[in-house]
Amino acid sequence: QVRLVDSGGGVVQPGRSLRLSCSAAGFSISRYAMHWVRQAPGKGLEWVAHIAYDGGNILYADSVRGRFTISRDNANNTVALQMNSLRVEDTAVYYCATWAFTLGVDYWGQGALVAVSS
Amino acid sequence: EIVLTQSPGTLSFSPGERVTLSCRASQSVDSRFFVWYQQKRGQAPRVLIYRTSSRATGIPDRFSGSGSGTDFTLTISRLEPDDFAVYFCQQYGSSPYTFGQGTKLEIK
Repeated sequence: QVRLVDSGGGVVQPGRSLRLSCSAAGFSISRYAMHWVRQAPGKGLEWVAHIAYDGGNILYADSVRGRFTISRDNANNTVALQMNSLRVEDTAVYYCATWAFTLGVDYWGQGALVAVSS
Repeated sequence: EIVLTQSPGTLSFSPGERVTLSCRASQSVDSRFFVWYQQKRGQAPRVLIYRTSSRATGIPDRFSGSGSGTDFTLTISRLEPDDFAVYFCQQYGSSPYTFGQGTKLEIK
């Protein structure tokens, strides 16, 4: 069964760090770019970061650049998001996702809740 | 940054009706990298339409997409009860990739 499993969410104080992980099952992520997308409570979707299939091209939203780092381990079929200097406005459900629509690929994790609060 | 504006924020329709959702971009979008998602409460989004007008696998033909440049639409020809959800447009041809703020489709 194809799926992405997000983990590592939790409650953290402003200024602290948290690391999210995404583990893929049923397919190899090595062929695909991977993304993190977040959704604040009751709000819309916000793209956060992208990493190319080989890690060669990495992109970030302005709101997280310099604080968040996306990485991947194709051998272990995992993607990570290291989040430093967290802010209250980073509170959201974070989804790991990959899409290659012409190949019928549109996979999302179940989401990991990150709550930044003092 | 390409800003995507979806209007209106909420639409109220009855099952069986036809509805058109709008997404307008602040600058021209490469239509190859324009998609529509549906999201239901407590679930991750799922793609309905990719490349502006191609239906994703398993999506019924009552969903259709069109548009180019800065104006894109999603049409649902005959609403079914399962279609009442939130719909997002997205472009991923130009970084930062951006989503519209969403249109909630509710039952009248």
